[in-house]
Amino acid sequence: ETGVTQSPTHLIKTRGQQVTLRCSSQSGHNTVSWYQQALGQGPQFIFQYYREEENGRGNFPPRFSGLQFPNYSSELNVNALELDDSALYLCASSHPGNYGYTFGSGTRLTVV
Amino acid sequence: DAKTTQPPSMDCAEGRAANLPCNHSTISGNEYVYWYRQIHSQGPQYIIHGLKNNETNEMASLIITEDRKSSTLILPHATLRDTAVYYCIVRVGGLTGGGNKLTFGTGTQLKVEL
Repeated sequence: ETGVTQSPTHLIKTRGQQVTLRCSSQSGHNTVSWYQQALGQGPQFIFQYYREEENGRGNFPPRFSGLQFPNYSSELNVNALELDDSALYLCASSHPGNYGYTFGSGTRLTVV
Repeated sequence: DAKTTQPPSMDCAEGRAANLPCNHSTISGNEYVYWYRQIHSQGPQYIIHGLKNNETNEMASLIITEDRKSSTLILPHATLRDTAVYYCIVRVGGLTGGGNKLTFGTGTQLKVEL
């Protein structure tokens, strides 16, 4: 059984640019959530996708957007990057019948 | 979601039991207590969850007080590899999906030492 994989592992972008982060969910999981974790803080919920539709969103501006594909993989897109967007971005997958989420190791985004 | 309160850090000797407390005094009747941990540079890892009964699995035990206002995660024989940040989370329902997010605090940094 494969876990959650995220790519890339590290990324450096310039303020104002756009970035796309990718996530492959664990086999059999049809729900994907994205979290942002700033240094020294706990992860903060960005949004969740189920059956290719967003079905929950945290307190993040519209420049944070996402997609889920028929194979349940997902993308997180961030437009107009700001310095404060520098963080570890975590993807988690689950199945509605499960109790726990499986997290990937994250993408470390640095905005300069 | 109800908020939780955890000590910022704890130390434990290897081989001893690690008891991590969590206060969740405003927990609602339909909210479960979840525990996750995050080892440095990795994503959070699910440990255990419960509603009102004590729970045990291969990783840990969860003790929930009768009034459900606090709980304790017990690692019976801590090892160096248990050094991590441990998060106590309360959330509605026991199943994932439906936008049922996890609300993380800052957790407890557990350091297991020789």
